[in-house]
Amino acid sequence: QQQVKQSPQSLIVQKGGISIINCAYENTAFDYFPWYQQFPGKGPALLIAIRPDVSEKKEGRFTISFNKSAKQFSLHIMDSQPGDSATYFCAASRGSTLGRLYFGRGTQLTVWP
Amino acid sequence: DVKVTQSSRYLVKRTGEKVFLECVQDMDHENMFWYRQDPGLGLRLIYFSYDVKMKEKGDIPEGYSVSREKKERFSLILESASTNQTSMYLCASTSGGYGYTFGSGTRLTVV
Repeated sequence: QQQVKQSPQSLIVQKGGISIINCAYENTAFDYFPWYQQFPGKGPALLIAIRPDVSEKKEGRFTISFNKSAKQFSLHIMDSQPGDSATYFCAASRGSTLGRLYFGRGTQLTVWP
Repeated sequence: DVKVTQSSRYLVKRTGEKVFLECVQDMDHENMFWYRQDPGLGLRLIYFSYDVKMKEKGDIPEGYSVSREKKERFSLILESASTNQTSMYLCASTSGGYGYTFGSGTRLTVV
């Protein structure tokens, strides 16, 4: 059973556009929701994360929107750039699980110049 | 610069071989993880460890075992490699569940 569902599987956006990736979860005990970015040949790296006590977190061009009642969260990339082309993973965890993260299946983002 | 180091970037092994994948972290993290990454399936947890000599099964432990004799080192063992274990293997560590640091991965091909 997949704990975190991510969509779309792939996304193509023009340079300067907005990229939006969505995730949904079922376990209401989750209390930490990070996004990871992975470039080819590299391991995933933490991009931005949110806790359920806020509805939005912004870092530069990257924003997480969080809807606790709908059990959904999304990543928005404003002014998308070709350098943003990567695979993005959403994830969730709860503090009592010894650090285990449950990952979505990933979204391959391509930003065309 | 803190890091997680995986000993090999690429490995080619024969079916039936015993394979060792090594991971070392220099951040004094308690928790370490092994994932495999396959196209369309994302990151799937094989095993994790929250202390020396402690281990927990993840979602796909069959055909794998692990060893953690020292805090900084977490080894993944394929007891008898099979072609369906051809994959990218990623090691990660964390001190408390917030902010994994991943290694660069080992791409294993079993022929």
